[in-house]
Amino acid sequence: NAGVTQTPKFQVLKTGQSMTLQCAQDMNHNSMYWYRQDPGMGLRLIYYSASEGTTDKGEVPNGYNVSRLNKREFSLRLESAAPSQTSVYFCASSEWAGAGEKLFFGSGTQLSVL
Amino acid sequence: GNSVTQMEGPVTLSEEAFLTINCTYTATGYPSLFWYVQYPGEGLQLLLKATKADDKGSNKGFEATYRKETTSFHLEKGSVQVSDSAVYFCALRVDSWGKFQFGAGTQVVVTP
Repeated sequence: NAGVTQTPKFQVLKTGQSMTLQCAQDMNHNSMYWYRQDPGMGLRLIYYSASEGTTDKGEVPNGYNVSRLNKREFSLRLESAAPSQTSVYFCASSEWAGAGEKLFFGSGTQLSVL
Repeated sequence: GNSVTQMEGPVTLSEEAFLTINCTYTATGYPSLFWYVQYPGEGLQLLLKATKADDKGSNKGFEATYRKETTSFHLEKGSVQVSDSAVYFCALRVDSWGKFQFGAGTQVVVTP
């Protein structure tokens, strides 16, 4: 029972480099999300995808792009990494069964941008 | 817009002490309310939830009651253990395809 799988777990980038964070879920969920977690700021939504084929900006989308490749996969791309993007990134998914339906989280990607 | 405010941490307690973490919210519509817990080095996982006013969510000795009149969802546990050391997040969601709104998180440290 894999749930939500994120890769990589750790990454170090230099300023200006690009990378893609991968996320896949095996629960047949419609909605997928990317969050970043910073000390004292909780979780902030970067982008989300309510369903396959749609994506929407969250609170902090600048500097990021996303792709909902299919129902299972939702990737996050940093085109030109900046030190301000040093953070822990979490992918999550949920179903549409109602507002009470919970989020399932991946184990996170710790990203450092030097 | 929707927002969640929870008490700042860290909260440091001795084992077997009583724990309360305050959470208040503002929301358009009638949200579902959640508490998530994050253990060191892990992702968040659902601790408990309540989907309508006066509902009580409970799990692993933790409880929280959805209070519409005070727009609150405070988390309580009567006797904490060292294994309860974690960061706790209060969250809300207004509709089934919408976004979750998280509080800033409260770190709880339980000492033997």
